[in-house]
Amino acid sequence: DTGVSQDPRHKITKRGQNVTFRCDPISEHNRLYWYRQTLGQGPEFLTYFQNEAQLEKSRLLSDRFSAERPKGSFSTLEIQRTEQGDSAMYLCASRIQVGEQYFGPGTRLTVT
Amino acid sequence: AQSVAQPEDQVNVAEGNPLTVKCTYSVSGNPYLFWYVQYPNRGLQFLLKYITGDNLVKGSYGFEAEFNKSQTSFHLKKPSALVSDSALYFCVERGATNKLIFGTGTLLAVQP
Repeated sequence: DTGVSQDPRHKITKRGQNVTFRCDPISEHNRLYWYRQTLGQGPEFLTYFQNEAQLEKSRLLSDRFSAERPKGSFSTLEIQRTEQGDSAMYLCASRIQVGEQYFGPGTRLTVT
Repeated sequence: AQSVAQPEDQVNVAEGNPLTVKCTYSVSGNPYLFWYVQYPNRGLQFLLKYITGDNLVKGSYGFEAEFNKSQTSFHLKKPSALVSDSALYFCVERGATNKLIFGTGTLLAVQP
């Protein structure tokens, strides 16, 4: 257990529905990252927060995706109008100013 | 674009034998490199990192990695493999804003 938690661990949804995932980073970590991992691939960067500010978004993050980190603590990742191609493991990671990233267990999304 | 290459999808080794998992990186200058491990149904775990200094970096669980600038390589090694080392290993490069750029992963299978 790295100290980063994610909820839910698994989510099955029908195509077209909206889903929201939550990440709780290690409390003193002000940097928070979201990644997506598909089967047989390494995780790919989605977006990055420093405190409450979203400082970078990948081109992988289409308009259907939105992420927030109110008050610089937990973060949410919402996917609107889910598609089958969104099926993946969504990973959250956090770090302090200098240091390696600590990953949560991930949320596995299955879109049917 | 920055990238890391892991040329082997799978590495098989007998328990007690030395193991090597290969990685090459692309960034010029001074790379910031990591190895992470992913066990089934568990999150990504940090193993070790290279920033500057000694080319041989020691990490968790008896793993070490050798940084070779002339060959742009950062191979993961362990003198004596354990069955419990069987997992998916990712070579990772730090990108801009400290996002992580993952290789495709190498599945390590240690036979008893």
